Amino acid sequence: DTAVSQTPKYLVTQMGNDKSIKCEQNLGHDTMYWYKQDSKKFLKIMFSYNNKELIINETVPNRFSPKSPDKAHLNLHINSLELGDSAVYFCASSQETKDRTYGYTFGSGTRLTVV
Amino acid sequence: GQNIDQPTEMTATEGAIVQINCTYQTSGFNGLFWYQQHAGEAPTFLSYNVLDGLEEKGRFSSFLSRSKGYSYLLLKELQMKDSASYLCAVTGAGSYQLTFGKGTKLSVIP
Repeated sequence: DTAVSQTPKYLVTQMGNDKSIKCEQNLGHDTMYWYKQDSKKFLKIMFSYNNKELIINETVPNRFSPKSPDKAHLNLHINSLELGDSAVYFCASSQETKDRTYGYTFGSGTRLTVV
Repeated sequence: GQNIDQPTEMTATEGAIVQINCTYQTSGFNGLFWYQQHAGEAPTFLSYNVLDGLEEKGRFSSFLSRSKGYSYLLLKELQMKDSASYLCAVTGAGSYQLTFGKGTKLSVIP
């Protein structure tokens, strides 16, 4: 069974469209994240959710909105897509205790191409 | 804020040893991670250091010095399949969110 699964793996769409990327984890982790990896391979945090509450929201355009129906799912919705949104988007989940984190488990990524 | 610095690219020979350095500045510290990412794939966990010293795991070892804000990843007996990007990531104060460096692309040549 895939621990963190993202769909779709590839997404090609036109400028101005609205699209969603889905993410599900079956690890029972409390926190889920969305990262964007640009053409230079730099991984940058976009959002994280802990127990359905948004706890980090970096300076991303408000065209991007995370939606979490339950703690196993964190979807990313993008309105009015722009060329600069083309990137690979990774979902990840993590589990922490009081004393430490165990790091992330990443999904396989969604390669978004806006034309 | 957090700042992480690592070399952009490195090349090493099959069978050799390579050390990838990472320096960081962070307002708090809850641990440092190394991830490996092959082209077109997701990052995968390699190591975690929260205390000073060396952590060894097979051919891979990771070292941390908190006072110097410094870590390195040591890869021994390099294999062609070790060609990948290696990402250094740190956690900050009051958070377990990972901030990643820009990654070091390692090319292993015959």
